[in-house]
Amino acid sequence: EAGVTQFPSHSVIEKGQTVTLRCDPISGHDNLYWYRRVMGKEIKFLLHFVKESKQDESGMPNNRFLAERTGGTYSTLKVQPAELEDSGVYFCASSLHGGNSPLHFGNGTRLTVT
Amino acid sequence: GDSVTQMEGPVTLSEEAFLTINCTYTATGYPSLFWYVQYPGEGLQLLLKATKADDKGSNKGFEATYRKETTSFHLEKGSVQVSDSAVYFCALSEGDNDMRFGAGTRLTVKP
Repeated sequence: EAGVTQFPSHSVIEKGQTVTLRCDPISGHDNLYWYRRVMGKEIKFLLHFVKESKQDESGMPNNRFLAERTGGTYSTLKVQPAELEDSGVYFCASSLHGGNSPLHFGNGTRLTVT
Repeated sequence: GDSVTQMEGPVTLSEEAFLTINCTYTATGYPSLFWYVQYPGEGLQLLLKATKADDKGSNKGFEATYRKETTSFHLEKGSVQVSDSAVYFCALSEGDNDMRFGAGTRLTVKP
C-alpha cells in the first residue's frame, strides 16, 4: 500500500509569490487533513476534507490560503501571496475513518519564504 | 478548546537510559490520546494510543497510561536506543473533532 505522498519536499519562494503544495492520500481514504508546524512549535490543524467537501476549515489562518480536493482524491494547498510567517513544514495526513482514527502522514513539505 | 502540552526539549540521553516525556491535556469530554513519532526525514507515524481512562498503550518498548485524574499521558521507555532518536508528539482527539498536537519533543540518544 502506497503511503501519503507530498510534493514538493522543499520549496523556497520569495515573499509575494505563489506556491502550491500537493498531497496524495492513501487510496480509499476519504478523510484528508492539512497541518502546519511553524518554527518547532506545535503541529496546528488547518483543515479537514471528507471526500471533496471541506468538513472543517477552522484552522486556515487567512484568505491567502486556499485548499481544494477536486474529485475527492488528491488535494492542493495554495498560498497566495506568501508571507514570511508562512514558512514552516506543511503536513498532509489521511485516514479511512474520521474522528479518532489514527492518521497516516506524509513526509511534509518544508516551505521557506524569504 | 482542546489542547495538549508536552515537555519542551530537546532531551538528550545515553543509550539504555530511562525515558519520560510528559504530556498533559485539556479537553471538555473524554478524548482519545496518542503518541506520534517522527524519525529523521520521515513523516509522523502512530506510536501508540489509548482510548479511555486507565488504558495503557504500548509499542516498541514505549508505554503511556491514560490518567484521567491528572489529565496526563506521559510517554516512558525503560531503556532507550540510538534508533529511538526522533521527535515525539502527544496528541488528542475528541469525538468527531480533529486531532490536536503538542509542540513535539526532540529526543537524541547517544551511544
